Amino acid sequence: NAGVMQNPRHLVRRRGQEARLRCSPMKGHSHVYWYRQLPEEGLKFMVYLQKENIIDESGMPKERFSAEFPKEGPSILRIQQVVRGDSAAYFCASSPGDRVNEQFFGPGTRLTVL
Amino acid sequence: QKEVEQNSGPLSVPEGAIASLNCTYSDRVSQSFFWYRQYSGKSPELIMSIYSNGDKEDGRFTAQLNKASQYVSLLIRDSQPSDSATYLCAVNLSGGYQKVTFGTGTKLQVIP
Repeated sequence: NAGVMQNPRHLVRRRGQEARLRCSPMKGHSHVYWYRQLPEEGLKFMVYLQKENIIDESGMPKERFSAEFPKEGPSILRIQQVVRGDSAAYFCASSPGDRVNEQFFGPGTRLTVL
Repeated sequence: QKEVEQNSGPLSVPEGAIASLNCTYSDRVSQSFFWYRQYSGKSPELIMSIYSNGDKEDGRFTAQLNKASQYVSLLIRDSQPSDSATYLCAVNLSGGYQKVTFGTGTKLQVIP
């Protein structure tokens, strides 16, 4: 049973470019969460999605960031016009969506903005 | 007041000792509590979940929950150098809602 998969594992972008981060949840999991972690800091919640729905995006910056979880395919976190401050590790987690909201994390995408 | 609070550490314990990690949370209706371990440069790994008051044991790990006092703790018995990591406490603050809130983590160092 494959775990949560994220790609790419490392992504380098220049300022102003777009970054697309992908997340495939564990088999049978219908809930996806995105987090951002800066070096030596905690996990910051960004967005919570179910298939085709954004449930909570209270942690997402209002501009340049968007997320989706289509009916088919992985969840995508998109960052437009990246700036140096976007450099961080971005983790995706999934859960089965029942009462027990244990979340299982993918390996993360390390984004570096030059 | 932070919603989920942990001492950042580092907490240093000698090999073989008991490491005690603590976490307090702000919302009385919280129902689900989790401990994650994160090695440097790696992703968080779920090691314990607890939902009822009292103790829950799994191998060398024991989670303790006291809802009245709003704290949850993790004990690691017979600490090993491989236990050196950051331990994240996570709480489902809103009761039935799926979102959990993470503390900033406590860094544990087990000294050989």
